[in-house]
Amino acid sequence: SQQGEEDPQALSIQEGENATMNCSYKTSINNLQWYRQNSGRGLVHLILIRSNEREKHSGRLRVTLDTSKKSSSLLITASRAADTASYFCATDGGANNLFFGTGTRLTVIP
Amino acid sequence: NAGVTQTPKFQVLKTGQSMTLQCAQDMNHEYMSWYRQDPGMGLRLIHYSVGAGITDQGEVPNGYNVSRSTTEDFPLRLLSAAPSQTSVYFCASSAWTGGDTNEKLFFGSGTQLSVL
Repeated sequence: SQQGEEDPQALSIQEGENATMNCSYKTSINNLQWYRQNSGRGLVHLILIRSNEREKHSGRLRVTLDTSKKSSSLLITASRAADTASYFCATDGGANNLFFGTGTRLTVIP
Repeated sequence: NAGVTQTPKFQVLKTGQSMTLQCAQDMNHEYMSWYRQDPGMGLRLIHYSVGAGITDQGEVPNGYNVSRSTTEDFPLRLLSAAPSQTSVYFCASSAWTGGDTNEKLFFGSGTQLSVL
């Protein structure tokens, strides 16, 4: 499968702590994207990092990409209860298909 | 802007019935796609389109049909529903710029389908 794999599958932290999620993939990519899904809702795009980039920031989000290890990480700093959601990485291997992982379920405890 | 609109939100079918899931976007996006989401499986691509009159198969196309007569609409047809098609279906679109690179997707809110 070309899907990315997120790790851990579930993560529970206290409000104010940082949350780190990892994504590993198997094939070469054009870009890697992270999405958030609140329970029962559609996915929302968070950040896109291209294969020639190593790090990208967006507000409280920091994404890194290591193409030599075929891995990416998403860091959410100073987490809030509203960050409770599932987070998915999606790898773009070309051919108009984004391959989604199975997600990390993040719970932020107030 | 409404973004990507999917209807219906919920649907129950009996095995063998057919139905169409509707998807419309108002962002003038060339690229549209359908995914299904199953527990523990992530999202899997069913069909996609890079413009009116152009469609192609994704990872799990069997049992589904699509057409793209306008830029705005991309309906998904279940020809003869089976219990294995019980899933949550998401339509998504993006501003495809050509080539095979995928830009960020805008998702609809999903259709929860149960096939009995």
